[in-house]
Amino acid sequence: QVQLVESGGGVVQPGRSLRLSCAASGFSFSSYGMHWVRQAPGKGLEWVAVMSYDGSNKYYADSVKGRFTISRDNSRNTLYLQMDSLRAEDTAVYYCAKDSILAAMSPHYFDYWGQGTLVTVSS
Amino acid sequence: DIQMTQSPSTLSASVGDRVTITCRASQSISSWLAWYQQKPGKAPNLLIYEASSLESGVPSRFSGSGSGTQFTLTISSLQPDDFATYYCQHYSSYSPTFGQGTKVEIK
Repeated sequence: QVQLVESGGGVVQPGRSLRLSCAASGFSFSSYGMHWVRQAPGKGLEWVAVMSYDGSNKYYADSVKGRFTISRDNSRNTLYLQMDSLRAEDTAVYYCAKDSILAAMSPHYFDYWGQGTLVTVSS
Repeated sequence: DIQMTQSPSTLSASVGDRVTITCRASQSISSWLAWYQQKPGKAPNLLIYEASSLESGVPSRFSGSGSGTQFTLTISSLQPDDFATYYCQHYSSYSPTFGQGTKVEIK
């Protein structure tokens, strides 16, 4: 069965960096785009970034563009999110999510989600 | 970016009620719309994609309709397990966005 397991969350000071990981199993990881979606405490869902199945395309929300970098290692079935210049407003649970469409070059809907990892940006 | 607006923000209903949630897009998104259910402390769960296609394993009391800019999610007979928050999401551009959510509460 499809499993997505995020890790790397924690408490970090404003302006510092953090890298999240998402370990995938149960499907052909190298054939699907992968996303990061976040949810601030008590708030709604916000899409953060997507990388295509082969790593050739990546897109970001305006709120993180220039600060966050999405990447993937298809040999390790792992998705990453490098978060730099963190701000208090980046505090959220970060979910990785699988794109629904095989070998798509653009985002679609999300058919599987991880359990999330909490990032708290605070001094 | 395309903005998604859900209404209402909160809905109070009883078991057995028919419930309708609306999602409006700021510009036409054809049928590129999904609906999710989220319970407290859990990840969202896909219910509907392409505006009206039911995800495998989702009960048939859930249905979706609409195209262009106006969409609805309907629960035909609300069950105890359905009290949750529901989100719409468009995927008609390179920057998918979610509605702000609709919380379905017990009346």
